Amino acid sequence: EAGVAQSPRYKIIEKRQSVAFWCNPISGHATLYWYQQILGQGPKLLIQFQNNGVVDDSQLPKDRFSAERLKGVDSTLKIQPAKLEDSAVYLCASSGWEAKNIQYFGAGTRLSVL
Amino acid sequence: GEDVEQSLFLSVREGDSSVINCTYTDSSSTYLYWYKQEPGAGLQLLTYIFSNMDMKQDQRLTVLLNKKDKHLSLRIADTQTGDSAIYFCAESMDTGRRALTFGSGTRLQVQP
Repeated sequence: EAGVAQSPRYKIIEKRQSVAFWCNPISGHATLYWYQQILGQGPKLLIQFQNNGVVDDSQLPKDRFSAERLKGVDSTLKIQPAKLEDSAVYLCASSGWEAKNIQYFGAGTRLSVL
Repeated sequence: GEDVEQSLFLSVREGDSSVINCTYTDSSSTYLYWYKQEPGAGLQLLTYIFSNMDMKQDQRLTVLLNKKDKHLSLRIADTQTGDSAIYFCAESMDTGRRALTFGSGTRLQVQP
């Protein structure tokens, strides 16, 4: 079974530029999450999708971050414009319907904003 | 609000047991998890425990849960150099908002 795929693995941009990250979850997983992991911290939820609907985006800085999951499969996360404090690893995870809520993580995209 | 806390660093010798501790505040947590993160890699689920259990064993891993004190621990028996990584404790509910709330991670260093 293929895991969660993310691209790109690394991205370096200058502040005020825009950037987009892509995630392909495990086949059949209805729930998709984007987490932000700042160096030295645990991951923090940005947004949770159930199929193509948003369940929780309360921690998403909506003035600059947007995310979509149009067909309930792949998802993109965009930052526009980027700030220095957006430098982090962006992790995508997916889970199925089982009650124990096992989330499988991709390798992440490491973003450096200069 | 939700909060998960862990100690930052643990150093052990190869072959010894490691015990990584975690405390959480959300009494409605249904599942508690331990994830491992190696440098440059994503998070790998090691094990999980349901909140109505107090112990779970899986090969070299033993998870203990004290629900009264909201304390979770992960014991790794016969620790190997390959166990060197950052270990994250996380909690979630099983309905509604199911996102994980993570601690800041404990860096385990295994010395040969």
